[in-house]
Amino acid sequence: DAGITQSPRHKVTETGTPVTLRCHQTENHRYMYWYRQDPGHGLRLIHYSYGVKDTDKGEVSDGYSVSRSKTEDFLLTLESATSSQTSVYFCAISGPGQVGPYGYTFGSGTRLTVV
Amino acid sequence: AQKVTQAQTEISVVEKEDVTLDCVYETRDTTYYLFWYKQPPSGELVFLIRRNSFDEQNEISGRYSWNFQKSTSSFNFTITASQVVDSAVYFCALSEASAAGNKLTFGGGTRVLVKP
Repeated sequence: DAGITQSPRHKVTETGTPVTLRCHQTENHRYMYWYRQDPGHGLRLIHYSYGVKDTDKGEVSDGYSVSRSKTEDFLLTLESATSSQTSVYFCAISGPGQVGPYGYTFGSGTRLTVV
Repeated sequence: AQKVTQAQTEISVVEKEDVTLDCVYETRDTTYYLFWYKQPPSGELVFLIRRNSFDEQNEISGRYSWNFQKSTSSFNFTITASQVVDSAVYFCALSEASAAGNKLTFGGGTRVLVKP
């Protein structure tokens, strides 16, 4: 399904460097989300967006910032990467109003390793 | 705040056995949605089912079945006659209809290992 793509798919970076992950959608959906997946924690919400330039924090937002300058792109930035941010990052999208019949569409994930 | 608990972290079964995954949720809303997702070893998240809070009918899809009980805030998932291809991590998730941004809250996941 090409409706949502994440880039890069894999990245290794050094502690203290900035990192930006990109989520791109072609569905024109209003809502976009960034989650991180860690063993034992499932997926936890980092930030989400409910429109262009409209974003809000999730439960694990410390150390992360986001931007959405156009409907199709939602960027997640680690200002100064730390080893605790080593994780798999998933982007998701959902349609306007009520949750759609399939709920949410997830990207394929970005595996980020901070060394 | 909404919360989803999957108490079983890992379940191991032999092929053809049935396996039931437990999911208990907490929410203050009367309108909400419950989901199950499958994450195979390849890593992608595969949608399995969505249920809204007003529909307590149990559902069966092939070897999969779901038991939704509002009285106990549970949404359990059963795989009948398990197969090796069912080996995956399964996530239960909750979305409150009134929450800004339709945020999805996940349980910690249950890893299912089906041995031949």
